[in-house]
Parts: sequence; structure tokens; C-alpha cells
Amino acid sequence: DVKVTQSSRYLVKRTGEKVFLECVQDMDHENMFWYRQDPGLGLRLIYFSYDVKMKEKGDIPEGYSVSREKKERFSLILESASTNQTSMYLCASTPQGTYNEQFFGPGTRLTVL
Amino acid sequence: GQSLEQPSEVTAVEGAIVQINCTYQTSGFYGLSWYQQHDGGAPTFLSYNALDGLEETGRFSSFLSRSDSYGYLLLQELQMKDSASYFCAVREQAGTALIFGKGTTLSVSS
Repeated sequence: DVKVTQSSRYLVKRTGEKVFLECVQDMDHENMFWYRQDPGLGLRLIYFSYDVKMKEKGDIPEGYSVSREKKERFSLILESASTNQTSMYLCASTPQGTYNEQFFGPGTRLTVL
Repeated sequence: GQSLEQPSEVTAVEGAIVQINCTYQTSGFYGLSWYQQHDGGAPTFLSYNALDGLEETGRFSSFLSRSDSYGYLLLQELQMKDSASYFCAVREQAGTALIFGKGTTLSVSS
């Protein structure tokens, strides 16, 4: 079974802090994605990566950056957390050429105070 | 711009059939997918349609009409465990990420 894990299930940070959210997948998938999910807004893509050191902006990249130094790990960075970044963050992965079936991690619920 | 429209809520009783519609407006189209998400859980993939027609997977079926930019998810013999949010998602360009709809919350009662 594909397993996508995220470093924390719940996280509380203060405004202005730098926040790292980690995602690891164990199936050698090329593509990895970061979404945020807010009530009534569905899943919105922040960034995705189709290879090591490669990244593409999604629909809402402002205030975020990403890092992919190893194939299995995709990190989301909030350079200076703000209260409007309080959300559920979901990581997903897919193998090359199979973009429609994404495998999601359990999510990190981030609260910024 | 891109948009996917689906109803926000649907209610039904056990044993019934329910259809969740999804209309999309995107610059390109490389397939329509459906995901299920239980409260507090991660989204899980249900089905995918690249071509027009019906795809059946057990109690769930998914339909696509590319000429109408429309698809639906059909859930038959509803069970309480089907209570969840359902998202349609479109791949707009080859080799890129999915665009998700805002989700439909399905409540199944006994």
C-alpha cells in the first residue's frame, strides 16, 4: 500500500514564526503536491513538484515556499506564519503519468495564533 | 478562469440512490476524477473518466459528457458509511495537478 505520512497531525504556531510541514511518501512517486483545505472552499493547490528540486506554483502560492531535496520528501514552508494560514494542509503524491489518482496523507491541522 | 460546480449538500436515506453532479469550465480537459473524504480523514480516490460514458466500480458509478462539460457520481444502495464529502476534480493540462471542486457533503440517514 502507498503510504503518505505528514510530520504532525496538529500544530500550533504564533504569528511571524517560520513553519515547516513535512511530507514523506514511500512508493517512489515522482509527483508530490501540497493543498490547503478550508470549509466551503475545497482543496486548493499551493505548490507541486514533479521531480527532485523541481517545483511549480499552484493556485495560492503566496506566503508559502517548498523544498524537494529528495524524491520521497516534499516540505512546505511558511516563511512568516499569519493567522489567515490557519488551515488543514494535505500532502499528496502520484507516480509519473498517473496524475488523476492521488494518494493523500492524513493532513496537518495548523493553527496560527 | 477555471471553475468546477457541484452541490454543497445532498441528503438521502439508506438503500437509496443519489447522484452528485459536477459541471466544469476549464481551459483544457484531461479527465474527471472523484474523491471521497470522511470527516477527519484524507481524501481517497474513487474513480476517473477520461472518455464519455459510464464507469462502474461496485456500488459507485461515474459518468462523463465532455460535450456538456458535465459529469456525475452515482451512489447506489446507500449505506450509512457513505456519509462523507465528495469532490470532483479535473486535470486541466497534461502533466499537471488537479483542480478540485468545493465538495458535496452527503448525509445518509436510516
